[in-house]
Amino acid sequence: EPEVTQTPSHQVTQMGQEVILRCVPISNHLYFYWYRQILGQKVEFLVSFYNNEISEKSEIFDDQFSVERPDGSNFTLKIRSTKLEDSAMYFCASSENRDTGYEYFGPGTRLTVL
Amino acid sequence: GESVGLHLPTLSVQEGDNSIINCAYSNSASDYFIWYKQESGKGPQFIIDIRSNMDKRQGQRVTVLLNKTVKHLSLQIAATQPGDSAVYFCAERNSGYALNFGKGTSLLVTP
Repeated sequence: EPEVTQTPSHQVTQMGQEVILRCVPISNHLYFYWYRQILGQKVEFLVSFYNNEISEKSEIFDDQFSVERPDGSNFTLKIRSTKLEDSAMYFCASSENRDTGYEYFGPGTRLTVL
Repeated sequence: GESVGLHLPTLSVQEGDNSIINCAYSNSASDYFIWYKQESGKGPQFIIDIRSNMDKRQGQRVTVLLNKTVKHLSLQIAATQPGDSAVYFCAERNSGYALNFGKGTSLLVTP
């Protein structure tokens, strides 16, 4: 079965540093997402991406965050200057379409900001 | 604001029993609902979904019920197995792209 993959599985960084989280969505999917989950809390939507542009973003997704699809297979989330509160699991997801499909989630990247 | 929430944070059932996990949502415009299962250290895994024009949908050992009148969603797992132990999230989507997740119910299956 096709799956979403993410790298790295765990990223440790110092506060103020930039991090890039990488994802390879399922190949025939058109919609891409980032979600995050702070330890013990619910999964929160960050951003959706379709047709090479952001289609929706949450209040969490401020100017410190950006997304990019640099080539035909990768989808990245960049945090420019990490804060302690950015520590969380970051999940990438993709779906074939919005109206009739559900999101397939990757295994996540655990980001720890020290 | 609009929210999706779960009635019980933890549920313990014996192996072989049926499990029922409940979820309340408050956005009456939501038209698509999903149940996800999350095992420790993994991403959410799709279980079953339902659209607002339906009130019941069945899968393999799972059934989702939707009551739009009281804005309530439930997941029924038949003959619960140890492998069903996980955190279960309901999620809803209205007109946008975002999935709004509930807080999760931890299901523990005991032998």
